[in-house]
Amino acid sequence: NAGVTQTPKFRILKIGQSMTLQCTQDMNHNYMYWYRQDPGMGLKLIYYSVGAGITDKGEVPNGYNVSRSTTEDFPLRLELAAPSQTSVYFCASSLGGGDHYGYTFGSGTRLTVV
Amino acid sequence: QKEVEQDPGPLSVPEGAIVSLNCTYSNSAFQYFMWYRQYSRKGPELLMYTYSSGNKEDGRFTAQVDKSSKYISLFIRDSQPSDSATYLCAMSPPSGSARQLTFGSGTQLTVLP
Repeated sequence: NAGVTQTPKFRILKIGQSMTLQCTQDMNHNYMYWYRQDPGMGLKLIYYSVGAGITDKGEVPNGYNVSRSTTEDFPLRLELAAPSQTSVYFCASSLGGGDHYGYTFGSGTRLTVV
Repeated sequence: QKEVEQDPGPLSVPEGAIVSLNCTYSNSAFQYFMWYRQYSRKGPELLMYTYSSGNKEDGRFTAQVDKSSKYISLFIRDSQPSDSATYLCAMSPPSGSARQLTFGSGTQLTVLP
């Protein structure tokens, strides 16, 4: 049972480059979320999706984009990377929403922008 | 003011000690309360889940919610070195649009053998 799988685990980007962080879940969860975790700042919501074809912005969406073409996949796109996007990125999924069911997290992608 | 406040620590205790971890919050609409444990370089994992006020016990772990004071706690009895991790509180109002959780910044705990 794989749960939530994130790739890559580590990446170094140069300023202005773009990349896609991949997230796949095999639990048939409807809700999926992207968070970033900065030291001492907790987890901040970037984007979320309540089902295939439906996405919406979270607290810190600027500089990011998402898509949800299938239930399983929820990739996060970084355009024109900036040093402020250096962070650890976590994808999470939930059967029916975090309030009732909690989240299952992936193991994270550690991104450095130089 | 942050919606959820959590002392970042670090907190260091000897093996066998009772550990108390705490969060305060400002949003009176929060009804669902959780604790996540995050080992170094791993994703958070759900540890405890509580709805509304009261206590919940699971083995060595007890979660306590005091909605009147907007204060939640996690107690760890007979702490073990394997409990060394960062502990994140999380909470949510009922049926928000994203049904998302709001997290504290985490408390780093080290249990010394």
